[in-house]
Amino acid sequence: KAGVTQTPRYLIKTRGQQVTLSCSPISGHRSVSWYQQTPGQGLQFLFEYFSETQRNKGNFPGRFSGRQFSNSRSEMNVSTLELGDSALYLCASSVVAGNTIYFGEGSWLTVV
Amino acid sequence: DQQVKQNSPSLSVQEGRISILNCDYTNSMFDYFLWYKKYPAEGPTFLISISSIKDKNEDGRFTVFLNKSAKHLSLHIVPSQPGDSAVYFCAAKGETSGSRLTFGEGTQLTVNP
Repeated sequence: KAGVTQTPRYLIKTRGQQVTLSCSPISGHRSVSWYQQTPGQGLQFLFEYFSETQRNKGNFPGRFSGRQFSNSRSEMNVSTLELGDSALYLCASSVVAGNTIYFGEGSWLTVV
Repeated sequence: DQQVKQNSPSLSVQEGRISILNCDYTNSMFDYFLWYKKYPAEGPTFLISISSIKDKNEDGRFTVFLNKSAKHLSLHIVPSQPGDSAVYFCAAKGETSGSRLTFGEGTQLTVNP
């Protein structure tokens, strides 16, 4: 069965632009969460969606947003990009109330 | 406030020997713990997990031990193989936190042939 799929894998954006990242969870998984990994801050939780509703939110500014569609696919958006937003963005999925959380390969964002 | 800590940034072991990776946590609301293996620029790969109602879970070469009173867990890899060389992350979640994981800083494991 296919794993968590993230697109695009690599992208370069300019400061001030916005970016949208996409995630398709494992089939049957209805919870999708997003994480940011940077060298200085490690792996940090951004937000979690279930049934198209944000269920949990990490400590990130409002420039970071997300949504989930009825087929459980999710997107995250970062507006007004800053150099510090350069990071690996990871999507993860799990079954409802499941404890095992599986990650995708990530989208590597570079802001120049 | 670092609620999950992996105090050893790196660990080097010989092939065939045991690797022991440690993790401490401070939040007593955490009730489920996971270990992930990660290569650079890739997503974390789930290895093994343990619920707070257990003190040990084993899966092949991987065993996780949980000491609730000490708020400490460890991952044992026996025998270690060169392919195990990667960064290992400890993560924790609480019953009411959904899929929100709190990660440690990671430990770089190097297994030398």
